[in-house]
Amino acid sequence: QKEVEQDPGPLSVPEGAIVSLNCTYSNSAFQYFMWYRQYSRKGPELLMYTYSSGNKEDGRFTAQVDKSSKYISLFIRDSQPSDSATYLCAMKGNSGGSNYKLTFGKGTLLTVNP
Amino acid sequence: DAGITQSPRHKVTETGTPVTLRCHQTENHRYMYWYRQDPGHGLRLIHYSYGVKDTDKGEVSDGYSVSRSKTEDFLLTLESATSSQTSVYFCAISLEGDTQYFGPGTRLTVL
Repeated sequence: QKEVEQDPGPLSVPEGAIVSLNCTYSNSAFQYFMWYRQYSRKGPELLMYTYSSGNKEDGRFTAQVDKSSKYISLFIRDSQPSDSATYLCAMKGNSGGSNYKLTFGKGTLLTVNP
Repeated sequence: DAGITQSPRHKVTETGTPVTLRCHQTENHRYMYWYRQDPGHGLRLIHYSYGVKDTDKGEVSDGYSVSRSKTEDFLLTLESATSSQTSVYFCAISLEGDTQYFGPGTRLTVL
């Protein structure tokens, strides 16, 4: 079983839709969770960062972590064509050799159609 | 791109030649990373550094070496480039080893 699983999509939605992107993981030591957005032919950019369980909201974006289910989500409200990108989840533990390395999902390609 | 530059941005080279990619940061972050990104594989860690002259291997380090003689520079060397090393290479930095900030990438083609 891979440490982090992410549906690669592609996911195509109409403008204004609510988008749900998800990752599951197997390592219960993961404590820090991130979402990155990557536009075509660009580097990933940090979108959201959460610690442990719970929700975090930033504008149209909400990150949700459920550690009991080992499941994280990113919700995008009122999606825009400019949200079209690949979304990568990433996570890390809190101690030991993995303390400064991230484990990434393979990314989900999202297209928002005008 | 959080004060990170990568050079060159594009390179075409031939099998068997050595290649060096440079990552330069102006953020004074302690941690630096080299990744490669390939379709179907996502981002894979090649090497990382946790300080000047302190480096360690990632999951796909065979055929690659790194050096960090200054805080701001992290070099990735392909000792003898092979076609399997055709990829997009990203450098990333981190202040405390948690969130990472990525550079713009280098697109390398090995013929």
